[in-house]
Amino acid sequence: GAGVSQSPRYKVTKRGQDVTLRCDPISSHATLYWYQQALGQGPEFLTYFNYEAQPDKSGLPSDRFSAERPEGSISTLTIQRTEQRDSAMYRCASSPRGGGENTGELFFGEGSRLTVL
Amino acid sequence: SQKIEQNSEALNIQEGKTATLTCNYTNYSPAYLQWYRQDPGRGPVFLLLIRENEKEKRKERLKVTFDTTLKQSLFHITASQPADSATYLCALLGTGRRALTFGSGTRLQVQP
Repeated sequence: GAGVSQSPRYKVTKRGQDVTLRCDPISSHATLYWYQQALGQGPEFLTYFNYEAQPDKSGLPSDRFSAERPEGSISTLTIQRTEQRDSAMYRCASSPRGGGENTGELFFGEGSRLTVL
Repeated sequence: SQKIEQNSEALNIQEGKTATLTCNYTNYSPAYLQWYRQDPGRGPVFLLLIRENEKEKRKERLKVTFDTTLKQSLFHITASQPADSATYLCALLGTGRRALTFGSGTRLQVQP
């Protein structure tokens, strides 16, 4: 697509429920990143994909968080058994470059705001 | 530990003046540093990238410097306009990391 698209834009869920967030990157882009952004803070790295490979998931805060990009395009971020501390903006970004030392500019989506009650 | 520090206090300046924002880092040896602009409720938007072997980079009214000895980057907006009001984030690739690490950003407010 023309830009990075994320859905849903807003998600309110109850503690203990599972949520899945979706990211549709720019169609030609090889790498896809997930970041978590708290209010007034910069984005915090969660994980990234180079096509369907997931070279780095060191930023995922716990094993309740997982991400997939099975066909090297659309990606999902799933949070199981949500907790109130998971409430944040989740941002997806893509880049035409390969990641690591080759990381170029990132193109961010508008984010998915998750609220866990 | 690795740190990226940006002034958390908002910077307020008059229209037409030059805005200067600072990004300091510790325990990184970045190959390059990037600057992004973020408007309220929106995703960050890339502005400039400067490599470790470049002292200065310019793009229209924007200028970035990168001093690897001081471990500091300065971001300048000349002839600032109210439309430049936003949060500005610096980002760099941490040693051994494979994705950008962002600072917490500095909010710039340009008064007309």
